[in-house]
Amino acid sequence: GAGVSQTPSNKVTEKGKYVELRCDPISGHTALYWYRQSLGQGPEFLIYFQGTGAADDSGLPNDRFFAVRPEGSVSTLKIQRTERGDSAVYLCASSPGTAGNEQFFGPGTRLTVL
Amino acid sequence: AQSVAQPEDQVNVAEGNPLTVKCTYSVSGNPYLFWYVQYPNRGLQFLLKYITGDNLVKGSYGFEAEFNKSQTSFHLKKPSALVSDSALYFCAVSPISGGYNKLIFGAGTRLAVHP
Repeated sequence: GAGVSQTPSNKVTEKGKYVELRCDPISGHTALYWYRQSLGQGPEFLIYFQGTGAADDSGLPNDRFFAVRPEGSVSTLKIQRTERGDSAVYLCASSPGTAGNEQFFGPGTRLTVL
Repeated sequence: AQSVAQPEDQVNVAEGNPLTVKCTYSVSGNPYLFWYVQYPNRGLQFLLKYITGDNLVKGSYGFEAEFNKSQTSFHLKKPSALVSDSALYFCAVSPISGGYNKLIFGAGTRLAVHP
């Protein structure tokens, strides 16, 4: 079946602009995660959804970052007033939800803030 | 602070030789342990995991990993490397709390298998 998809694959924006990154998880997966991967580093946890609710948003770096999952499927990561330091690959992953299940990752969105 | 260390930025091995990619962690309790692989222009792919039970776990593409609780290590191994194994490998741990997997990743190790 279809895997996790993310759109756009690349996003170039100017400092101060607003961006939205979309994630379509695997159908039926109740858990959805966002990670951020900077160049030369491993992914860093941002936020976790179980169903529609953000159960753990402890990884969001500041209040410019926000994510939603209104119907328990598609999720959108929103970044306000982008800064050059926000440039990274944003990864989305989904899993069946139970602890111990592996996460299935999307290809990522490469965000470049000029 | 919870962390994962992959001490080698790159591992070079000749095709047909055994390979080891090292991982140690500093996480309280008995975390779940994972290995992922990242090929160029592709997403992270799950290789294997340790939850409980036998310390040697087998995964995809002939890879296996050995969990050592006393050394807090989870090294990735393969008896005979292939050129196609060349990729970026990430070790990840998940503290057991809240019923979900908040993965903490290492910085990654680039594996280069030479013909």
